[in-house]
Amino acid sequence: SQTIHQWPATLVQPVGSPLSLECTVEGTSNPNLYWYRQAAGRGLQLLFYSVGIGQISSEVPQNLSASRPQDRQFILSSKKLLLSDSGFYLCASRRYSGSYEQYFGPGTRLTVT
Amino acid sequence: RKEVEQDPGPFNVPEGATVAFNCTYSNSASQSFFWYRQDCRKEPKLLMSVYSSGNEDGRFTAQLNRASQYISLLIRDSKLSDSATYLCVVNGEYGNKLVFGAGTILRVKS
Repeated sequence: SQTIHQWPATLVQPVGSPLSLECTVEGTSNPNLYWYRQAAGRGLQLLFYSVGIGQISSEVPQNLSASRPQDRQFILSSKKLLLSDSGFYLCASRRYSGSYEQYFGPGTRLTVT
Repeated sequence: RKEVEQDPGPFNVPEGATVAFNCTYSNSASQSFFWYRQDCRKEPKLLMSVYSSGNEDGRFTAQLNRASQYISLLIRDSKLSDSATYLCVVNGEYGNKLVFGAGTILRVKS
């Protein structure tokens, strides 16, 4: 079975600072990978997804970007954080090509001050 | 109209009660349906997939009505540990993506 790691678990950053969140997946190869954000008391918003190395699809315009430098590594970045970037960031992996089920990492809780 | 709509609740029920959650979806082409459970400040975890014929997993029963574009989750003999937010999820217009409902809050009390 696959395991998804995310770090850091918690982050407090000032407005205007850069951001880098990392997600790595074990136990699978060539997974579809996803970045979601969940604002306090809200549903999950899909930010980016990737079907392979270097292939990124963006779902919403924003000051965030994503990269996939290796098959099982997915990175979420920002050059300058906004207050509205605060939230719970979740990385997910689609289990295998025959199923739509996604499995989530433990998440990173980001507070922008 | 939201792609996936759920009653946000909260549903406050006593231990041992039976509780049902409903969900509607807008994309008639959706083929895959799930219920996820999310505990407070934790990641969502897959509870069960929902099949056309309906399926049961212990105290949990999921039903799908494609004609009405409606999904349900029934929890029997509620436990305190069932307290969580339940997310209704369908695959989106493009199969790579899932669309999550905003969730229904369940609180089971002794």
